[in-house]
Amino acid sequence: DTEVTQTPKHLVMGMTNKKSLKCEQHMGHRAMYWYKQKAKKPPELMFVYSYEKLSINESVPSRFSPECPNSSLLNLHLHALQPEDSALYLCASSQGEKGGEQYFGPGTRLTVT
Amino acid sequence: GQSLEQPSEVTAVEGAIVQINCTYQTSGFYGLSWYQQHDGGAPTFLSYNALDGLEETGRFSSFLSRSDSYGYLLLQELQMKDSASYFCAVLIYNQGGKLIFGQGTELSVKP
Repeated sequence: DTEVTQTPKHLVMGMTNKKSLKCEQHMGHRAMYWYKQKAKKPPELMFVYSYEKLSINESVPSRFSPECPNSSLLNLHLHALQPEDSALYLCASSQGEKGGEQYFGPGTRLTVT
Repeated sequence: GQSLEQPSEVTAVEGAIVQINCTYQTSGFYGLSWYQQHDGGAPTFLSYNALDGLEETGRFSSFLSRSDSYGYLLLQELQMKDSASYFCAVLIYNQGGKLIFGQGTELSVKP
């Protein structure tokens, strides 16, 4: 099973809302990632969790708050977002941080109004 | 800083062979990965090279030369379904491992 699942698939939220994105993998991977991708652009790394601990935060604004409740789950809590935060948010996982083989979920298409 | 360069667009015909090059300048280099992404889809892993040389997986091959900071993805027997964006990505490790993606190459396969 090489599947990473993400919910919801689509999300529309106002600038004052609070919402969460969820990601799950059951491959026993120990590293999990959040990426942001704008149209016709490459994925941009936001956060890396390794063994359930935050190892990299790419200077992401505090309105994005990651959480790793256990080795299979990754959440991204959203609060007071801006319209420019509208993008595809991708979750990925890999066996460890030193592996170039990452498995991506289908993403959450986020629109901030 | 980190930089990767790959062509923005490549066009080829069905059945042909195409090579997508990637040059990089990074610190903490660990390896080079390739991902495919169809419109509206998520990136899909194709290959990863940590050592110099050629890795072959079916119709796709990937090459790395660490001394030249260069790699390429070779696609053989092109099919229409290969039309997609292809990203090279360097894995860097410095107090944590992360992938840095190139801008992507849009491959169009014509009949």
